[in-house]
Amino acid sequence: QKEVEQNSGPLSVPEGAIASLNCTYSDRGSQSFFWYRQYSGKSPELIMSIYSNGDKEDGRFTAQLNKASQYVSLLIRDSQPSDSATYLCAGGAMNRDDKIIFGKGTRLHILP
Amino acid sequence: EAGVAQSPRYKIIEKRQSVAFWCNPISGHATLYWYQQILGQGPKLLIQFQNNGVVDDSQLPKDRFSAERLKGVDSTLKIQPAKLEDSAVYLCASSLLASSYEQYFGPGTRLTVT
Repeated sequence: QKEVEQNSGPLSVPEGAIASLNCTYSDRGSQSFFWYRQYSGKSPELIMSIYSNGDKEDGRFTAQLNKASQYVSLLIRDSQPSDSATYLCAGGAMNRDDKIIFGKGTRLHILP
Repeated sequence: EAGVAQSPRYKIIEKRQSVAFWCNPISGHATLYWYQQILGQGPKLLIQFQNNGVVDDSQLPKDRFSAERLKGVDSTLKIQPAKLEDSAVYLCASSLLASSYEQYFGPGTRLTVT
């Protein structure tokens, strides 16, 4: 069974520090990966997608993918209290018949 | 660009009653998904439509859940009869292409079964 694993947290990070969120996946056929941010009581919001090995940067966010290790991470630089949320990792194969599998999410708490 | 619309936002029903949820995806998005999210867990895919055809419904409890996507646009998800364990947030999402592309979620419907 395909799985995406995340530490549920909470992960507490001081304001201004780097928050590091990690995710592992079981299906070697997975090629597309996504990070969603979900505030309490709200729906998931896509913040990053990554399809190839290496790093992808967007503002304060950097996604990292290592397909050999089946590992995806999200770094948040200069963490702000508004970054406090649950971060969901998701992955799947790049074909129309495959579904995205979501992890259970990591709760991130930025300490003011 | 308008986002994914869902209604109602909240629903409280008694067990054994029926309920229906509606979703309107982002214009032009071919793929529509219904997810169930129980508190503290990630979204679980119930059903995925590509235009008006079903791509995946392997996790849909077909004895009580049904879904349709009329004319490849709007979709409804129905539960009949509801059980206590159906209490969850039901999320609709859409993507421009197939499932492994970026998905955009609606606000969700919070269902409470008493």
